Amino acid sequence: GESVGLHLPTLSVQEGDNSIINCAYSNSASDYFIWYKQESGKGPQFIIDIRSNMDKRQGQRVTVLLNKTVKHLSLQIAATQPGDSAVYFCAGVRRDTGRRALTFGSGTRLQVQP
Amino acid sequence: KAGVTQTPRYLIKTRGQQVTLSCSPISGHRSVSWYQQTPGQGLQFLFEYFSETQRNKGNFPGRFSGRQFSNSRSEMNVSTLELGDSALYLCASSAGQGDSLAFFGQGTRLTVV
Repeated sequence: GESVGLHLPTLSVQEGDNSIINCAYSNSASDYFIWYKQESGKGPQFIIDIRSNMDKRQGQRVTVLLNKTVKHLSLQIAATQPGDSAVYFCAGVRRDTGRRALTFGSGTRLQVQP
Repeated sequence: KAGVTQTPRYLIKTRGQQVTLSCSPISGHRSVSWYQQTPGQGLQFLFEYFSETQRNKGNFPGRFSGRQFSNSRSEMNVSTLELGDSALYLCASSAGQGDSLAFFGQGTRLTVV
C-alpha cells in the first residue's frame, strides 16, 4: 500500500526565514498530494494540493514541489511567521474507480522563533 | 457557512464500553471521511461515506463502524473499547466523492480508561 512519511519530525526556523518541509512517498499510484497544517487543538487545515502530473504549484506564500523521480515532495513557506507554527502533514491521494484513499505521513512540527 | 462540527469534543469511556461520535459536514457537502489520530500512528483513514453509502474503508477491525444519514450527517461507532482506541477522531467533509478539498472538524478526543 501507499506509504507517505516525513524526513524530519521537528523544524525550527527564525521568523522571516523561508521554511522547507519534506515528504517522501513509496508508491507511485497517488493521483495527487495534499499538504495540511494542524495547529494545537484543531483539525488539519488544507493548505495546497498538487496533481501527480505537475512539478510545482504555488499558493499564497506557499509552494509545493513534486519530484516523481525520487518520489519526494516539499512544502516551501516564504517569510515564515509565528502563525505558521504547527504540525504539517503530507498526504497521498489515490482515486481508484471513484473511491478516494488518503494516506497521511506522520507530520513535521514547525517551530517559528521570534 | 458553518464548518465541520464534531460532537462531543471530549469523551472518557471505560474498556468494554461502546461509543458513538457524530459529525455534521459543511452544508451542501455529501462526502464524509473519518480518521483516527494518535501520536504513534499519526492520521489513519477509517472510512468514507458518500450518499449514505460506505465507499472506502481503512484497515481497522470490525469494532469500528459508521453510517451516514440522508442529511449527510455521519456517525461512527466503536464497540468493546480498548485502551488503544484512545485517540483524536477527526471527521472531514468534501463536496463530492473523491474531492481533494476536504475540510476537517476539530475532532473528538476519546480517552479509554
